Amino acid sequence: NAGVIQTPRHKVTGKGQEATLWCEPISGHSAVFWYRQTIVQGLEFLTYFRNQAPIDDSGMPKERFSAQMPNQSHSTLKIQSTQPQDSAVYLCASSFTQEVFFGKGTRLTVV
Amino acid sequence: GDSVTQTEGLVTVTEGLPVKLNCTYQTTYLTIAFFWYVQYLNEAPQVLLKSSTDNKRTEHQGFHATLHKSSSSFHLQKSSAQLSDSALYYCALSEGETGNTGKLIFGLGTTLQVQP
Repeated sequence: NAGVIQTPRHKVTGKGQEATLWCEPISGHSAVFWYRQTIVQGLEFLTYFRNQAPIDDSGMPKERFSAQMPNQSHSTLKIQSTQPQDSAVYLCASSFTQEVFFGKGTRLTVV
Repeated sequence: GDSVTQTEGLVTVTEGLPVKLNCTYQTTYLTIAFFWYVQYLNEAPQVLLKSSTDNKRTEHQGFHATLHKSSSSFHLQKSSAQLSDSALYYCALSEGETGNTGKLIFGLGTTLQVQP
């Protein structure tokens, strides 16, 4: 069990560019979550899927952020027209029942 | 809305002394599960403790916590801090005792620094 795998681990983008973050959940886990981690806000919930269906995207900034889960083995978080305030660590997590397992995250830096 | 409050951003303690990290919450959920997550530098957050039973002490790796619904608290304690305990600690709640939704609401986190 390799755990939740996130790629890339680090990404630097220029202001206004698009960033796509990838997540491979633990095999057999039915729920996939995306969180954003910053020093100021801590761990903020963004969105989650259950059995590939979007369930709750209440934490997603509506205009530039989108998430997809085209199959049970991966999910993507896309940020269009990145801004400096998008700089953060983006964490993906998966679960089967109650316990949620996190990946190590993708550190996004917008310059 | 639902929220978790961790009052200290940084707690510094001397090795061998007791430590307590505070966690309180507000929720409209009828049933809740609570977690403490620990995150070491450059690592993923991982579950340290979990509980959904009121007034029952739960323990793991020398840490313990008791969910008190009467005071809306789930404080984390350890009787003797170790250097290896230095990390970022998050308190979180999830709807439902079985927590099938899995959606976690986190506090802002408390950095624990254990010094020699």
